[in-house]
Amino acid sequence: SQTIHQWPATLVQPVGSPLSLECTVEGTSNPNLYWYRQAAGRGLQLLFYSVGIGQISSEVPQNLSASRPQDRQFILSSKKLLLSDSGFYLCAWSGPDRTNQPQHFGDGTRLSIL
Amino acid sequence: AQSVAQPEDQVNVAEGNPLTVKCTYSVSGNPYLFWYVQYPNRGLQFLLKYITGDNLVKGSYGFEAEFNKSQTSFHLKKPSALVSDSALYFCAVTPNTNAGKSTFGDGTTLTVKP
Repeated sequence: SQTIHQWPATLVQPVGSPLSLECTVEGTSNPNLYWYRQAAGRGLQLLFYSVGIGQISSEVPQNLSASRPQDRQFILSSKKLLLSDSGFYLCAWSGPDRTNQPQHFGDGTRLSIL
Repeated sequence: AQSVAQPEDQVNVAEGNPLTVKCTYSVSGNPYLFWYVQYPNRGLQFLLKYITGDNLVKGSYGFEAEFNKSQTSFHLKKPSALVSDSALYFCAVTPNTNAGKSTFGDGTTLTVKP
């Protein structure tokens, strides 16, 4: 069966520090991968999505970036965090080229910027 | 551009009573529609989807949803609510194109009181 892992579960970082959040998927090949940010337990904002290794689409301009160095690994990064980067970050995967399939989410990383 | 509206931020029902969580959508072409549930500090979990066929879709945990094309709605329902159904519910729409990405509603908090 397929599983998705996100870590760390919680993270407290000072303003201006770098960030690296990692997400890995097991049990499937060539998944579509997604990074979302959820503010205050409400709606999801799509940050990045990827349909293959090295293929990243950015949905909103910001100081975050994403990379996909391996088929089932998706990394969210920042060189310098802002206070506004605080939030709940969710990684998700779906089957390749299958828009009629649901997304499967990790349990998220709660990021607090001090 | 596609959009999803969940008109109620909060729905309160008594245990044992039927529940409805509303969702309306706007998308070009035929939609793929999804419902997800989120418990505190967890990722979203897939409940059910509508792709084509019968307008009444059955999903996990006794939930069902009715697709209404003329009203562009996809309301989530359950005949008898449980306290454990209390959670945040998201409706999502994906256009049926290869490049389609899901758009999520802002979520509805369901509280079931004993």
